[in-house]
Amino acid sequence: AQSVAQPEDQVNVAEGNPLTVKCTYSVSGNPYLFWYVQYPNRGLQFLLKYITGDNLVKGSYGFEAEFNKSQTSFHLKKPSALVSDSALYFCAVRDVRKGYQKVTFGTGTKLQVIP
Amino acid sequence: DVKVTQSSRYLVKRTGEKVFLECVQDMDHENMFWYRQDPGLGLRLIYFSYDVKMKEKGDIPEGYSVSREKKERFSLILESASTNQTSMYLCASSFPIQAERPYEQYFGPGTRLTVT
Repeated sequence: AQSVAQPEDQVNVAEGNPLTVKCTYSVSGNPYLFWYVQYPNRGLQFLLKYITGDNLVKGSYGFEAEFNKSQTSFHLKKPSALVSDSALYFCAVRDVRKGYQKVTFGTGTKLQVIP
Repeated sequence: DVKVTQSSRYLVKRTGEKVFLECVQDMDHENMFWYRQDPGLGLRLIYFSYDVKMKEKGDIPEGYSVSREKKERFSLILESASTNQTSMYLCASSFPIQAERPYEQYFGPGTRLTVT
């Protein structure tokens, strides 16, 4: 079965500094990986995905993620953090069974950007 | 823009009550999902549906059932609510695999259910 792990419950970063939110995955076959963000009191929003191609994927709000097959990682990054980036971030991986649209989510990482 | 709406933002029910959570999407998506979100546990899939009247159990279906009579509407039913079902419930929908943006899920704002 596929899974993702987010090793940090919370990440604190100063405004203007680069940020990284970590995610590692476990899947047989080619991984389809995703990042979602949840702002306070709102539903989740899709940020970006990796299916194939360039290992560096660009997404919404200036975020990008780096796919690393040898380290089975898909870390979320941003060069310069904003206070408004403070939110809960979820990594996810799709179900490998052909035809299934199900994805499995990680436990989430709370990002706190300090002014 | 895709819009996924849920019938209530906050709901308080008593133990043993039958509870209906409604979700409607306006993008003609085939796939719809119900999750519960709990601190430290992330999102866990309860049920999903890939077509009208079709459903599949997710990871934690016990104590829940679903109904999909129309393509745009997916209902989650708690047959007899219990305190351990106090949680945030999120509905989502997605395009079919053949579409341009497969697997991307669009979420509703959530329903925070408290069972007392």
